[in-house]
Amino acid sequence: EAEVAQSPRYKITEKSQAVAFWCDPISGHATLYWYRQILGQGPELLVQFQDESVVDDSQLPKDRFSAERLKGVDSTLKIQPAELGDSAMYLCASSLEGPGADTQYFGPGTRLTVL
Amino acid sequence: AQSVTQPDIHITVSEGASLELRCNYSYGATPYLFWYVQSPGQGLQLLLKYFSGDTLVQGIKGFEAEFKRSQSSFNLRKPSVHWSDAAEYFCAVGAGYNFNKFYFGSGTKLNVKP
Repeated sequence: EAEVAQSPRYKITEKSQAVAFWCDPISGHATLYWYRQILGQGPELLVQFQDESVVDDSQLPKDRFSAERLKGVDSTLKIQPAELGDSAMYLCASSLEGPGADTQYFGPGTRLTVL
Repeated sequence: AQSVTQPDIHITVSEGASLELRCNYSYGATPYLFWYVQSPGQGLQLLLKYFSGDTLVQGIKGFEAEFKRSQSSFNLRKPSVHWSDAAEYFCAVGAGYNFNKFYFGSGTKLNVKP
C-alpha cells in the first residue's frame, strides 16, 4: 500500500539553527499539506499545495518558515531560525484530487525538538 | 469562526465496553466531517467520513459515527472496545469554499483497561 514518506523522523536542533523537513506524497496525489502538531493539541494546517502552487499559507509564520514543492511532487518545509516554540510534530499529508473534502493520507511525521 | 470541540481530553474504558467520543463543531453550514486515529508517535489514519446522505456512517475497525445537524455533533462510537483501540482520536471538519479549510479538534486520548 502506498504511503506518504517523511524524513527525518526525529530532529534535535539548537535555537537559531536552520532545519528542513522532507515529504514525498503518494504517487499521483495532486494536493500536499504540511501540518504542525504541538503536544496535546490537534494538527494545525501550515500550508497547502495544489501541484506546485500554494493554495493556502495563511497560518504559515512566513518570517521564519518556508515551503516549496518545485516540481509538484515532493516538498520541503524549512525553519530558519528555529525557536524553542517550534518544538512539535510536523506532519505531511496528501490527497488525490484538488482542494476539497478528499481523504488526506498522513505520513509518520517529523518530531522536532529545539533546545 | 469555525471551531471543533472535543470536550473529553482523556477517556478510560474497560476492554469489551462500549465507547462514545464526542465532537461538536461550529460552522454556518454543514461541513464535511472526519474522524482520525493517531497511535503514539505515528501519523493519522482516517476512520470514517461524512459528506452527505445517511447520517450514520460506518468506518474501519468497527467504528461508526452519527451526524446530528440539530446538535452540530458528530460522535464516534464502538460497541465493544479492544485493547488495540488505545490511541488518540481526532475529529476534523472540512469547511469554507470548496471545503478546503481543515480544522482539527484537540483530540481525545483513549485508555483501555484490561
